[in-house]
Amino acid sequence: DTGVSQDPRHKITKRGQNVTFRCDPISEHNRLYWYRQTLGQGPEFLTYFQNEAQLEKSRLLSDRFSAERPKGSFSTLEIQRTEQGDSAMYLCASSLGVGTGRIAEAFFGQGTRLTVV
Amino acid sequence: GQQLNQSPQSMFIQEGEDVSMNCTSSSIFNTWLWYKQDPGEGPVLLIALYKAGELTSNGRLTAQFGITRKDSFLNISASIPSDVGIYFCAGPPFNQKLVFGQGTRLTINP
Repeated sequence: DTGVSQDPRHKITKRGQNVTFRCDPISEHNRLYWYRQTLGQGPEFLTYFQNEAQLEKSRLLSDRFSAERPKGSFSTLEIQRTEQGDSAMYLCASSLGVGTGRIAEAFFGQGTRLTVV
Repeated sequence: GQQLNQSPQSMFIQEGEDVSMNCTSSSIFNTWLWYKQDPGEGPVLLIALYKAGELTSNGRLTAQFGITRKDSFLNISASIPSDVGIYFCAGPPFNQKLVFGQGTRLTINP
């Protein structure tokens, strides 16, 4: 299966520690998105990439959050100095790029559930 | 920021009943998407709509792109237990990142 893969599935960390999550998109997809989801809410946009370029970052996103997508393949999302409010499901998605007519069809991974204690 | 409003927020139905839910936006969308999410999993794409007035089916699911381009509807016919979950509408304002509604939680009584 060549769907979107996220690692780890679960992460428990102490407040103040740094954590890093990885996302491997579907191989032919050049758009990659990160979302955060808390209980009872829809996914909330964090940032997205077109190939290796980070095109937009949510204004709600603290500067403790950083994302990279070196070489336009996999992506990492790092949270520095974690806080209890960072506890959430972090979702990665990918889609085909501009000009394909299907740019909006984003396919999600299974998510990384972060618990900050 | 852009918001999508889904209705209803939750539904409790009997197995075999039909289900209808909708989603509205304050601005025009060129694409509407419907996702289903099971507990602890990522959302799964069900249907994508690209044209105002378009009606698209995927098995027992049927979705419509509203003619005003500010709304969309999802219907599930003859519900079964595996339809339980949270259904999200989503769309890309200005063809950029997807924004999501707050979800409709479907519960089915056998």
